[in-house]
Amino acid sequence: GNSVTQMEGPVTLSEEAFLTINCTYTATGYPSLFWYVQYPGEGLQLLLKATKADDKGSNKGFEATYRKETTSFHLEKGSVQVSDSAVYFCALFGGSTLGRLYFGRGTQLTVWP
Amino acid sequence: KAGVTQTPRYLIKTRGQQVTLSCSPISGHRSVSWYQQTPGQGLQFLFEYFSETQRNKGNFPGRFSGRQFSNSRSEMNVSTLELGDSALYLCASSAGQKETQYFGPGTRLLVL
Repeated sequence: GNSVTQMEGPVTLSEEAFLTINCTYTATGYPSLFWYVQYPGEGLQLLLKATKADDKGSNKGFEATYRKETTSFHLEKGSVQVSDSAVYFCALFGGSTLGRLYFGRGTQLTVWP
Repeated sequence: KAGVTQTPRYLIKTRGQQVTLSCSPISGHRSVSWYQQTPGQGLQFLFEYFSETQRNKGNFPGRFSGRQFSNSRSEMNVSTLELGDSALYLCASSAGQKETQYFGPGTRLLVL
């Protein structure tokens, strides 16, 4: 079946530090992979996505590369800001199941000035 | 384009009552999925509708139901509310079942 495992945190960083949030997955077929972000009191916002192996998704300085050989989709950012404080969810979509995202448990990121 | 909208944003009910939540997808989107988010269980899939038909269902009791209208708007209903139904209910829409899902702000339900 499909599943996503991500480091749960919380992760606490100083401004301008380097960020990595690990995400690995199990899936049948060839899934698409996503990172969503949730700010306090809000819904989920799509941060970036990759639809096939070796694709790199990027947005707002965040990047993640779809690694089929290691079944991973780690999120990185070179220099975090206070405004990046949020919960980040790794998710997969596709394979034999349509219309449904499989989520990791989320990683709380707090960035201090 | 306007994003996904959900109404109401906040709701307080008592045990045993029923509740209906509404979701209006992005214009042109035909697939609507619902998720429940709680601190203990994380994000759990409820069901997905495409062209007015439920195409996929998660592992929730029959008290949770939904429907989709011809304009792609969707509603979900929870009958005989329990304390454990307190959660953020998120709706997501996509152009098709294989397309990227975009989420609304959610409805926060508190059951007392």
